[in-house]
Order: sequence, then C-alpha cells, then structure tokens
Amino acid sequence: GAVVSQHPSWVICKSGTSVKIECRSLDFQATTMFWYRQFPKQSLMLMATSNEGSKATYEQGVEKDKFLINHASLTLSTLTVTSAHPEDSSFYICSARDSGDFYNEQFFGPGTRLTVL
Amino acid sequence: AQTVTQSQPEMSVQEAETVTLSCTYDTSESDYYLFWYKQPPSRQMILVIRQEAYKQQNATENRFSVNFQKAAKSFSLKISDSQLGDAAMYFCALTTGANSKLTFGKGITLSVRP
Repeated sequence: GAVVSQHPSWVICKSGTSVKIECRSLDFQATTMFWYRQFPKQSLMLMATSNEGSKATYEQGVEKDKFLINHASLTLSTLTVTSAHPEDSSFYICSARDSGDFYNEQFFGPGTRLTVL
Repeated sequence: AQTVTQSQPEMSVQEAETVTLSCTYDTSESDYYLFWYKQPPSRQMILVIRQEAYKQQNATENRFSVNFQKAAKSFSLKISDSQLGDAAMYFCALTTGANSKLTFGKGITLSVRP
C-alpha cells in the first residue's frame, strides 16, 4: 500500500524559533498533499492544501505567514511553523493523494507532535 | 459546503459483539466518496472502508461493513465480532471529485470491553 512518512515524529522547541516538518510520499507521486492539525480527542482540522509547483491554499483562519508550506517535488511537502509559540503546540498530520488513485483516497503520515516551550 | 456529522462522542462494545457507528453527511455534489478512518492510540490514521456514492452495494471489508443510505445521506459503520484492537477513535469522512478535500466528522471514541 501507499506509504507516507513524516519527519520528525516529535519535536520540542523554544518559543520564537522555527520548526520544519517534512512529509514524503515514499512509493507514489503526490501532486496534492494536505496538512492537518489535531488537538487531543478532537477531529482533524485542515490547515492547507499543498500543490506541487504552486502556492498552497490555506483554509480560512490559518495564518499563511506563520505556517509556511512548500511542495517542491512530487514526493515532498514541508510545513514550517515560524516563530513558534506555546499555542502552536499540537499534533500535525500530513496526507498525500495519489495522482493516479481512482478513489480520491488520502494516505496519512504518522504525524508530528510539536511542543513549544 | 459539505458537512459530516457524528453525533455520538463515545460508544462501548463487549468483545465479540457487534457495534454500529453512525454518520450522516450533506453535500450538493452527485459524485463523492465516503470513508471511515480508524485512529488508534498511536494516532496513525488507518483507512477502514470506503464507499463510492454511485455504487448501491454496501462496501464490506472482513468484519467491517457499511450501511449506505444515499437518500437519507447516512453512512454507518458496523463492526462485527469486536476485538480489543478495534478500540480507537473512528472518523467518518467525505470527499467529492471536485476538490478532493476530506471533510471529517468530529469522531467517535470506541472502547471494547473484555
């Protein structure tokens, strides 16, 4: 099956620093990747849609200058949390859609736990 | 806009018994796909089952089956012979062919009693 990896799986950083999270599709090409944020016991909240070679589309209320997304290749998208603050602490999940998939299925990465001190 | 509603926040089932998780949705699109995802304590999202809207036949995957009622916009998940490993958070989700964004319900936490 299709595999999506995320790196790092967890990160702790100081307030004011920037953190980059990588999302890779390992065995398929993904023209579209998605970034979600999830709080404990809650649903996934879509932050942005990342399209290879073009600017990401952000959901309403998501600060594009704070959450920088780059989708430079068909297998890699990155999310950079700039000037992180404690309220940015959360679980971040990426997913990738197989360009050739008939079912519009998204394959999910294992997630990244971000803790900002 | 599309919506997915899971009104039950928690459910519990006895091991080896059957449980049904409810989901209703709304979309103006005629072409869409429905999914049930499982999120165990590891938090890895796992696809349980999917259903294409144009198919009348309910999807089944081993112990998991759905009751897809298109007119009622209902998509419930039935888990038969429940196992301890089924304990997780379950999310119902909808995507249309137009933009491929997934719309998730709030999720339901399923516990399995030994």
